[in-house]
Amino acid sequence: GENVEQHPSTLSVQEGDSAVIKCTYSDSASNYFPWYKQELGKGPQLIIDIRSNVGEKKDQRIAVTLNKTAKHFSLHITETQPEDSAVYFCAAPSGGSYIPTFGRGTSLIVHP
Amino acid sequence: DVKVTQSSRYLVKRTGEKVFLECVQDMDHENMFWYRQDPGLGLRLIYFSYDVKMKEKGDIPEGYSVSREKKERFSLILESASTNQTSMYLCASSFAGTVHSGNTIYFGEGSWLTVV
Repeated sequence: GENVEQHPSTLSVQEGDSAVIKCTYSDSASNYFPWYKQELGKGPQLIIDIRSNVGEKKDQRIAVTLNKTAKHFSLHITETQPEDSAVYFCAAPSGGSYIPTFGRGTSLIVHP
Repeated sequence: DVKVTQSSRYLVKRTGEKVFLECVQDMDHENMFWYRQDPGLGLRLIYFSYDVKMKEKGDIPEGYSVSREKKERFSLILESASTNQTSMYLCASSFAGTVHSGNTIYFGEGSWLTVV
């Protein structure tokens, strides 16, 4: 099955700085990589995803990059704001499966 | 908007009690999931279901069972609750097919269970 490693487990930045969270996966057949944001007291919510036929995708201040050769993908948040403080999860499905394996999560803290 | 509703947000149960966690989704999704979330361990899959009356074990099914009698409802059952089952439980749902097709998983708000 898929093995997803996520780093760092915690990330503390100043408002306005950039934040980068990285994930590696093991199954070379995986071709869809979503990122979820979990705010305090809520369930995770999809914020951005990328398919293996593209290397980068942007949505305003967030972007995701994918390196299929190295089997890693990253979430980039620019101009961070306090409301970006949350736990972020990456995920990757096992080849042929619709069940994603989640990373262990990154707690992002943005200091005003 | 997709809505996954978990009926109980906070529960306190005694060791040995039978516990039911209920989940309802309103988007006619075929797939439904139960995850457990613990600090430092991320989201671990307990059980999932791809159709009514169908269920498959996830990564940590021991001590749990599930029931899916209707498409919109997926219940998690702790037959005899133990203190190591104190955790946050998340229900989720998605359309059928592979995740490769981009079928987003939608989560509920979570149920905090404390077993004393």
